[in-house]
Order: sequence, then structure tokens, then C-alpha cells
Amino acid sequence: AQSVSQHNHHVILSEAASLELGCNYSYGGTVNLFWYVQYPGQHLQLLLKYFSGDPLVKGIKGFEAEFIKSKFSFNLRKPSVQWSDTAEYFCAVTITGGGNKLTFGTGTQLKVEL
Amino acid sequence: GAVVSQHPSRVICKSGTSVKIECRSLDFQATTMFWYRQFPKQSLMLMATSNEGSKATYEQGVEKDKFLINHASLTLSTLTVTSAHPEDSSFYICSAGTGGGTDTQYFGPGTRLTVL
Repeated sequence: AQSVSQHNHHVILSEAASLELGCNYSYGGTVNLFWYVQYPGQHLQLLLKYFSGDPLVKGIKGFEAEFIKSKFSFNLRKPSVQWSDTAEYFCAVTITGGGNKLTFGTGTQLKVEL
Repeated sequence: GAVVSQHPSRVICKSGTSVKIECRSLDFQATTMFWYRQFPKQSLMLMATSNEGSKATYEQGVEKDKFLINHASLTLSTLTVTSAHPEDSSFYICSAGTGGGTDTQYFGPGTRLTVL
């Protein structure tokens, strides 16, 4: 079965700092990759997704992620974070032919300080 | 974007009672809906896949007789927690997708269940 690991459980950054959140998955076949964000008191929202094509994916709010197949990674990046980016970030995968079932990582709590 | 709603947002019940949670796709038809459970400070754990017009498929370790799922239409799935106990207290979240190989799921706001 596939699994997803997020290395950083808690990250604290100052505004304007650059962000990179790690995500690795384990599965030998074709995967679809997602990053979701959950702002305090709100529901999960899709930041970006990768199905195929250009491995560098751009999402909403200035976020991007790069799929590196050889490393089984899909790290999330943002050049300059804002206080409003404080949230929990989840990496998730589905496997081709797996019925679109999402497997989530454990999440990374990001706190951006002014 | 696609909108998914859940009702109620919060429910408190006595031990032994049953609670029904609704999940609706408001502006699209969802052939498949998913039910997750999220414990505090933890990730989402898939409980079951709700398929319109057929039986739900449950993940390993999830009791199908305790968590009854009905996907009666292309816009509505319900999760009933039967004979709830305090250990069932959790945050229940649904998601809905339009199906297909490159489907994106859209999540509801969740339902906080507290069993006394």
C-alpha cells in the first residue's frame, strides 16, 4: 500500500522567509500528487496538484511544487511567506487505478510570525 | 470552484444514540464521495468510499455496521454513526469528486461529533 511522509511537523518562519515543506511517498507505480491547506477553522482547500506533464506545478497564492520521480518527492515551496499562510499543509497521493482514494501525510503546521 | 457542504457542523449526543451526518455537493454531481476521520493534531484517515447507487466500500478496520453510509443521489451521501460511544468522538470530513482518472476531490467543512 502507498504511504506519504511529511518530514516537518511544525515550521515557524518570519514573514518574507522562503518556505519548503518536504513530502515523500512510497509506491512503485504511477501516482497523482496533491497539496492541500487547512487554514484555522476552515476546511481543506486544494493548493495544487500534479497528474502528468511539467513536474513543476504552480498553484494558488504563489505556491509551487516539484515532482521528482527519482526521489519520490513532491516538495512544496513558496519564495516569500506571509502571515496569512499560517495553516496546516497536507501532502496527499492517489494511485492510478486506485479509485481516487487519497492517502494523506501527517501534515505540517506552519506558523508565520510578523 | 466546486462546493461541498456538511450538516450539521457540530453535534453533541449521548452515548448509545445514533447520529446522521450529511454531505452534499452543491454545484456538481459526485459519483463518488469519501468519508474521513481526523483526530486532533493528526492527519485524515479514509474510512470509506461512497458510491452512488451501490454499496460503500470500507477501509480495513472500519466497522461497516457501525458507520452506515448511504449515497442516495449524485449530490448527497450520508454517514450514520450508530450506537455512538465516546471513542467515536472525532472530526468527520467528507469529500466529493466527479470521477475519472484525474479527479480532484473537494472537501466539506467537517462535522465535529462529541459523544458524552
